[in-house]
Amino acid sequence: AQSVAQPEDQVNVAEGNPLTVKCTYSVSGNPYLFWYVQYPNRGLQFLLKYITGDNLVKGSYGFEAEFNKSQTSFHLKKPSALVSDSALYFCAVSEASGGSYIPTFGRGTSLIVHP
Amino acid sequence: DAGVTQSPTHLIKTRGQQVTLRCSPKSGHDTVSWYQQALGQGPQFIFQYYEEEERQRGNFPDRFSGHQFPNYSSELNVNALLLGDSALYLCASIRDRGDGYTFGSGTRLTVV
Repeated sequence: AQSVAQPEDQVNVAEGNPLTVKCTYSVSGNPYLFWYVQYPNRGLQFLLKYITGDNLVKGSYGFEAEFNKSQTSFHLKKPSALVSDSALYFCAVSEASGGSYIPTFGRGTSLIVHP
Repeated sequence: DAGVTQSPTHLIKTRGQQVTLRCSPKSGHDTVSWYQQALGQGPQFIFQYYEEEERQRGNFPDRFSGHQFPNYSSELNVNALLLGDSALYLCASIRDRGDGYTFGSGTRLTVV
């Protein structure tokens, strides 16, 4: 079975500072990894994905994520946070081949960027 | 290019009633998944439809059923509603396995 852990319910950061939202995963075989953002009363918006290749993946709105196979992690990062980045962030994992490719989502991390 | 469209946006139902939620996928997407998102939780997979058939199902009771039409749009039906069914129901569409989902804005279902 595949699973995702987002160990922090909330991350607080000052505007202009770098941010990191943590994600670890468990899956049989190679993973497909995703980050989504959700604003209040809205659906999820796709930010970025890791399929294969370069371990550093760049996505929308200046976000990037680093895939670390040995640590089974896929942390979301941004060099300089904006107040408008405040939202709920979800990490998701699915299997790259065989089995289920239905993404399993984490519980989410609330990012709060203070002015 | 329209994304995923869901209707209605909000719905209030009484325990024991039945509800139907609707979804139109993004243009070019042929696979539709439904998720339930309870307050403060991540989305939980209900089922996925492809070529008008349920391809995979999550850990939800048979009260939850669905359908996909030839134009790829989909419905989610929930019978015998319980208070615990109150949640945001999200529809997501996809074309290829490695793609990110495109989500609709969801239907907020409140069961009283």
